[in-house]
Amino acid sequence: DVVLTQSPATLSVTPGERISLSCRASESVDTYLHWYQQKPNESPRLLIKYASQSISGIPSRFSGSGSGTDFTLSINGVELEDLSIYYCQQGNSLPFTFGSGTKLEIK
Amino acid sequence: EVQLVESGGGLVQPGRSLKLSCAASGFTFSNYYMAWVRQAPKKGLEWVATISTSGSRTYYPDSVKGRFTISRDNAKSSLYLQMNSLKSEDTATYYCARHPPYYYDGTYYYDYFDYWGQGVMVTVSS
Repeated sequence: DVVLTQSPATLSVTPGERISLSCRASESVDTYLHWYQQKPNESPRLLIKYASQSISGIPSRFSGSGSGTDFTLSINGVELEDLSIYYCQQGNSLPFTFGSGTKLEIK
Repeated sequence: EVQLVESGGGLVQPGRSLKLSCAASGFTFSNYYMAWVRQAPKKGLEWVATISTSGSRTYYPDSVKGRFTISRDNAKSSLYLQMNSLKSEDTATYYCARHPPYYYDGTYYYDYFDYWGQGVMVTVSS
């Protein structure tokens, strides 16, 4: 199974900052890497598909990059509403797997 | 508006069975692969099952293979998850999710989830 390692586990940020979250795969997943946001007590929401493709309705401050084994989710100007856990997920091979998440805390 | 509404959760004893349902609306259900994803309390996400548009192909991780069965009724726009031989580690919120098709280089891929239900809690305990 492909193991996805997300770092950091927790990130404390100031509103307005630009931040980057990391997701590293145990083997290449090409660009079959997707990002989700889960706010407290809510269902996950798709943020980015295929490493860097934007999703309709998602604010433009969210962007993704990477391929192979190293991926980054960037938030350009964090807002209070971004307080969430962010998960990466690979779709390159079965079983589909998720990272353990990065929790974003607002200072 | 796409809506996925799960039902059927609850408290069940280890070794017993439970069947979850997901009612879909707002899109042509029969055109999409569908999936179940679960989340144990305070834990991360785990993919549980995927089913093709016709129901002829199903996919599971080893953790549930042989115990869980995903199925669908396209006439009713409904997705199901039959869970047998339940274990305490199956305790989780179960989400119904949609797999959109992605067409690339002559092939369709169904490898991410674009809409999720609100989830239904399953507790396995004596």
